[in-house]
Amino acid sequence: QKEVEQDPGPLSVPEGAIVSLNCTYSNSAFQYFMWYRQYSRKGPELLMYTYSSGNKEDGRFTAQVDKSSKYISLFIRDSQPSDSATYLCASEAGYQKVTFGTGTKLQVIP
Amino acid sequence: SAVISQKPSRDICQRGTSLTIQCQVDSQVTMMFWYRQQPGQSLTLIATANQGSEATYESGFVIDKFPISRPNLTFSTLTVSNMSPEDSSIYLCSVEDRADTQYFGPGTRLTVL
Repeated sequence: QKEVEQDPGPLSVPEGAIVSLNCTYSNSAFQYFMWYRQYSRKGPELLMYTYSSGNKEDGRFTAQVDKSSKYISLFIRDSQPSDSATYLCASEAGYQKVTFGTGTKLQVIP
Repeated sequence: SAVISQKPSRDICQRGTSLTIQCQVDSQVTMMFWYRQQPGQSLTLIATANQGSEATYESGFVIDKFPISRPNLTFSTLTVSNMSPEDSSIYLCSVEDRADTQYFGPGTRLTVL
């Protein structure tokens, strides 16, 4: 079993839709949770970073962590074509080794 | 956030040859990391490079195959040695800032024929 599981998609939504991206993890030691966005032929770009259960909001993006069920979510409101990218969830136990999901490819159709 | 550049951005190489990838950061950082990203797979950590010490390799990766240099706090190189088609991948360097947040370079897309 992978430590971080993520549905690879692809996920295709119309512009303006609410997007829900999800990951599950198995390592109870994970304390930090990140979402990266990766455009085609680019390196991953940090989008959201959180270290506690609950919600963290940044503009149209909301990261949600439920440690009791080991579930990580990223919500994108009013999705735009420019949001089309691969989204990677990642977790870290605090000793600097980050474990990544395989990424979900999102396409927002105008 | 740190600005990271990598050279080359892409290359096509012959089996049995070696390629050295350079990673330059615009600020001094303690921790630098090298990852591999293969299609359909998660980012896999190859090794952690600290300035002034030997790189620490993850399970499945060895120094003879992926020698790393870290001559100062802003630069590192990864060499992919004696390449085979299975080494075709995207290689990424990343750095960690004081807030323990990782930032990635644009990646080097390697194709081995």
